Amino acid sequence: AQKVTQAQTEISVVEKEDVTLDCVYETRDTTYYLFWYKQPPSGELVFLIRRNSFDEQNEISGRYSWNFQKSTSSFNFTITASQVVDSAVYFCALSEADTGTASKLTFGTGTRLQVTL
Amino acid sequence: EAEVAQSPRYKITEKSQAVAFWCDPISGHATLYWYRQILGQGPELLVQFQDESVVDDSQLPKDRFSAERLKGVDSTLKIQPAELGDSAMYLCASSPRTSGRRYEQYFGPGTRLTVT
Repeated sequence: AQKVTQAQTEISVVEKEDVTLDCVYETRDTTYYLFWYKQPPSGELVFLIRRNSFDEQNEISGRYSWNFQKSTSSFNFTITASQVVDSAVYFCALSEADTGTASKLTFGTGTRLQVTL
Repeated sequence: EAEVAQSPRYKITEKSQAVAFWCDPISGHATLYWYRQILGQGPELLVQFQDESVVDDSQLPKDRFSAERLKGVDSTLKIQPAELGDSAMYLCASSPRTSGRRYEQYFGPGTRLTVT
């Protein structure tokens, strides 16, 4: 069975601080995908990134960066110089990749990030 | 940019009543998902369609929930009768048919259901 754990329920930072959101996963699959989604107060889930289990290169996109470490089953997300607009709930998710069709996402419980002035 | 459409955005209903939600995926997307998100938790899959066929409905409470995607395009999720515990956000998502992108899911704005 797949499982995603986001141990941080809520994080509060002051604007311009860096913040890291932790994600630990469990799966028996050898091939899988990892995702991060952002859920602002409006409720819609916004896709941020997808990583293939074979690709352990870290990725940077503007102020966002992701650190994938297969050895520790972690896929952490860092926001550099946080801004008030980053305030949202962030979800880490996992899906199988060995199926012929797309497969469901298994989500963590989310981390609520509050960025204040 | 194409989006997943859902309606209604908000629904309040009394317990034991019937309620239905509608989803229109991004044009051309083969896979459609319905997720339920209880307040303070992550979304959980209720049902997954590949075109008009159900791929996974193992977590759908079939005694009261039903879902259909008759022509392989839009979809309806129904609850009858609604119970207090059904209060949640119901999210629809879709994935492209393209092999390299079929693992990307794009979500609609959701329907927030309150059962009183």
